[in-house]
Order: sequence, then C-alpha cells, then structure tokens
Amino acid sequence: DIQMTQSPSSLSASVGDRVTITCQANQDISNYLNWYQQKPGKAPKLLIYDASNLETGVPSRFSGSGSGTDFTFTISSLQPEDIATYYCQQYDNLPPRFGGGTRVEIE
Amino acid sequence: EVQLVESGGGLAQPGTSLRLSCAASGFTFDDYAMHWVRQAPGKGLEWVAGISWNSDSIDYADSVKGRFTISRDHAKKSLYLQMNSLRTEDTALYYCVKDKIPFFAYFGIFALWGQGTQVTVSS
Repeated sequence: DIQMTQSPSSLSASVGDRVTITCQANQDISNYLNWYQQKPGKAPKLLIYDASNLETGVPSRFSGSGSGTDFTFTISSLQPEDIATYYCQQYDNLPPRFGGGTRVEIE
Repeated sequence: EVQLVESGGGLAQPGTSLRLSCAASGFTFDDYAMHWVRQAPGKGLEWVAGISWNSDSIDYADSVKGRFTISRDHAKKSLYLQMNSLRTEDTALYYCVKDKIPFFAYFGIFALWGQGTQVTVSS
C-alpha cells in the first residue's frame, strides 16, 4: 500500500498569510493526488484534484502543485472561513489512502 | 439538488450486523463509481470500499475485507454497505461518496460527500 505523509499536523497563521501544506508519498503516484477541506462537524469537500486542478466553485486562493512523490497545497491569503482540517489523498493504487490531515487555525 | 443521504447507522453489539444505505439524487447514479469512507471519532479519513459504475470492479480496505460487502441498485439509485461481524474499531461516521468522473477506470476522486451516518459498536 502507498503511504501518505502530510505535514505539518497543525499550524496557526494570521488572516492574510500564505499557508503551505506538504504531502509526500512513499512511491511515485504521478499526479493522482487530491486535496480536501473538512470544516468542524461537516463532511469533507474536494478542493484540488490531480495535484493542481481547482474544483469548480473553489476560490482561487487555493492551489496545488507537485508530481511523483512530493506535493504542495497552498492558501495564498488565509481567510477566517478557511479554518478546517485539510487532507491529501492518493488514488494511483488501491486502496485510495489519505494523509493524516493538517489542522489550520487562526492566530 | 445533487445530494447523497445516508441511513442505517446506529448502535450495534460486537459480532452483529448493520446495513447502511445511501440514496442518490440530482445526478445520473448509473454513471459513477461510488464509495464508503469512514472517520473514527477525532481521527482522519479511511476509505472502506468502492464499486465501479457497472459493478464490475469492487474493492475493500484490508480492515473490512471478508466482513463488509458493498453493492448498488441502479433502479433505486442507492448504494449499500452490508457490515457483518462488527468490531469496536468499526465505530465511525460513515460517508457515502461519489466519484468525480463518469465511467472512470480509477477509484477515485471523491467529489461529492453525504453528511454521514454514525455507527457505534459497543457492548
């Protein structure tokens, strides 16, 4: 099975800050990497698919990059409504596997 | 409205069974792979099972293989998860999830999530 290592596990930043989360696979997964946002008490929501494609309706301050084993998720200007836990997920091989999550808080 | 509505969760004793259902609406259910993803209290996300649009491909997480069965009914636009031999570690919120791309060979870009149904396994 492919293992996904996400870091940091939590972070605190100010409104307007640039926030970066990394996700590393233990083997090459090409660009089969997605990012999700889960707000407290809510279901996850797809933000980025295939490493860098923004899902319809998702604000452009969210972006993703990377390929192979190393991936980055960025919020260009953190907003109060971005408080959530973010997960990466690979689907190159079965089973689809999620990273451990990154909790984002406002300072 | 495009939505997924889960039902069937509840409290179950270890070793017993539950059947989860997911009713789909607002999209062509027949065309998309579907999945169950769970989240234990305070924990991360775990994919449980997936079924292709035509039911030709079915797969399970090792943690549930041999105990859980995923199925779908196109006429009823519904997805199911039969959960047998339940264990305390199966306690979680179970989400019904729709893949993004129709007729896609891969599992999965999890594009649409239901609100989940809680399963608690305890004696």
